[in-house]
Order: sequence, then structure tokens, then C-alpha cells
Amino acid sequence: DSGVTQTPKHLITATGQRVTLRCSPRSGDLSVYWYQQSLDQGLQFLIQYYNGEERAKGNILERFSAQQFPDLHSELNLSSLELGDSALYFCASSLDYRGTEAFFGQGTRLTVV
Amino acid sequence: AQTVTQSQPEMSVQEAETVTLSCTYDTSESDYYLFWYKQPPSRQMILVIRQEAYKQQNATENRFSVNFQKAAKSFSLKISDSQLGDAAMYFCAYSPHPNTGTASKLTFGTGTRLQVTL
Repeated sequence: DSGVTQTPKHLITATGQRVTLRCSPRSGDLSVYWYQQSLDQGLQFLIQYYNGEERAKGNILERFSAQQFPDLHSELNLSSLELGDSALYFCASSLDYRGTEAFFGQGTRLTVV
Repeated sequence: AQTVTQSQPEMSVQEAETVTLSCTYDTSESDYYLFWYKQPPSRQMILVIRQEAYKQQNATENRFSVNFQKAAKSFSLKISDSQLGDAAMYFCAYSPHPNTGTASKLTFGTGTRLQVTL
């Protein structure tokens, strides 16, 4: 158990809908990362938050947004969902923004039908 | 941009034998980190081993060791005394060193699926 908790584990929704994925980092970790794992794109970095502020942005679509709350948990919001958004979404956390050792959650499997 | 290449989509090894998974990367930085992550059927991404580019000594974690060739930009993973529980997808990943000021995101390769047979 990495100590990073993601909910829900599975999510099935229809095209056009909006979903929220939640991540609780390991106790004491200030940095949260979101990654997307899909068959065609592989594992891709989406966005990083550190202590409540956006730190880095990767290949994140404009339909997607994230935030990190004062209690350090993070949420990834996916809207206007398309079939191609079906993927495994991982959250990872690290102690600081340097991310030299990131611990991953078990992921949320999103299926868009 | 940094890229990570794993040219072996699948590998197979017999239990108790040794297997080496290959990884090459491309970067213009001199300081960075390299990682091997394991993803078993449970989907959890598990850190296997980490190498800091400025350290010439190859990292070792129990049965797992790396062969880091900085000039060749090569970073292979050797698994000794393979066990059934080693069967998984293995991903090589690159991260810039914090001192470069670049975002500490992980860039992953496409993965190598390792099968362990009796």
C-alpha cells in the first residue's frame, strides 16, 4: 500500500458528462501529480500541484481541470467526456515539488460509453 | 523534449533465471533521475529502483539492479533469481533533476511485459 488513496476505483459514464476523480496523498506529502494511462497514448503527465498551487502542466486538455485543497487532497475534473477519454487515471504524491520519489495510487479506471 | 524508449514489448524468463529489460532515453540535460516502475495486474505503479545521473555507481535493490550507461543514454534493469511475482509490466521513466528548474514530471516509456514461467 503506497498510502495514496484514489476514489472511485471504477467509473462508467456517458459521453458529454462530467466526472470528478479524487486523490488523497500520503500523509505529509505536499505535491500531487495526475497521470493518464491509455492504450494509445501510454502514460502521460497531466498536471502537478504543490501545496495548493499549480506547479506544472503537461498534456492536459482544456476540458480537464484540477485543484488541490487546503487539506492537500486533490480533484481532477473531466468534462464533456469523449470516448477517447477512457483511461486509467493515476494520482501520485511526493514530499516536495521536486518529485524525486513519487508514490502512486491504484488509479481510477474511467470508461466513457 | 525528453523521450524514453523501451524496444522490447514482451519478455519471458524462467523462474530462478536472470532477465534484462532495456531502456534508452534522450535528453540534453546532464542531471536527471531514471526510474523503473512495475505495474502488476493490480494496476498499482510500484517503484522498483531509482538512479541519479550524477552517480556513477549502478543502483541495486535486492534482486534488482541497473546498468546505467550515461554516455550511451542507456538504462537497463536486471532481475536476478526471477520469481512468479515479478510478472508484470515494467516501465522505464525519466525525470529532470530539481536543480534544472524543469518540472519534476515523469516521462515514461511504453513498457515491457514480463512473463515468468515455471
